Amino acid sequence: QKEVEQDPGPLSVPEGAIVSLNCTYSNSAFQYFMWYRQYSRKGPELLMYTYSSGNKEDGRFTAQVDKSSKYISLFIRDSQPSDSATYLCATVAGTASKLTFGTGTRLQVTL
Amino acid sequence: DTAVSQTPKYLVTQMGNDKSIKCEQNLGHDTMYWYKQDSKKFLKIMFSYNNKELIINETVPNRFSPKSPDKAHLNLHINSLELGDSAVYFCASSQPYTGQMNTEAFFGQGTRLTVV
Repeated sequence: QKEVEQDPGPLSVPEGAIVSLNCTYSNSAFQYFMWYRQYSRKGPELLMYTYSSGNKEDGRFTAQVDKSSKYISLFIRDSQPSDSATYLCATVAGTASKLTFGTGTRLQVTL
Repeated sequence: DTAVSQTPKYLVTQMGNDKSIKCEQNLGHDTMYWYKQDSKKFLKIMFSYNNKELIINETVPNRFSPKSPDKAHLNLHINSLELGDSAVYFCASSQPYTGQMNTEAFFGQGTRLTVV
């Protein structure tokens, strides 16, 4: 069983929809939580970073962490075709100096 | 200016060959990584170096040998390539995760390795 589980999708939504992407993790030592976005044939790029439980908002994106249930979410409002990509959740345990990734969810936003 | 650059971008080779992938970062980071991404997009760490010193080796076959000549470079040499080595290999760099700051890992564009 992987340390970070993520529904691989693909997830297809119409433009303007609200998208919810989710991950669960098993290791209580994970302290930092990130969402990376990866466009086709490109490397992952950091989208959002959060440390504590709760919500963090950045424009159309909201990251949510619930450490008690070990659940990580990313919400995308007013989704755009340019949001079509693979979204990877990632975690870090303290000073472990490595990112542990979920399997990624492929999102397709259609016109 | 490319922050993390790796070469080559594509690599097609026969089973049994030896090949190298090079990576360079110009961000001044102390830590560099190699990740392997399989066909299902799962990204798994292989190695991590901090200031040229190996700190993470995630049960990777010893056919894979990383080398860090200085903290801006981390190369990956693969001996006796096998079909199962076909994947996209990503180099990344960051400052160490000390728990004190918002640390971002920057990834290269990937090297798509196909073993035939």
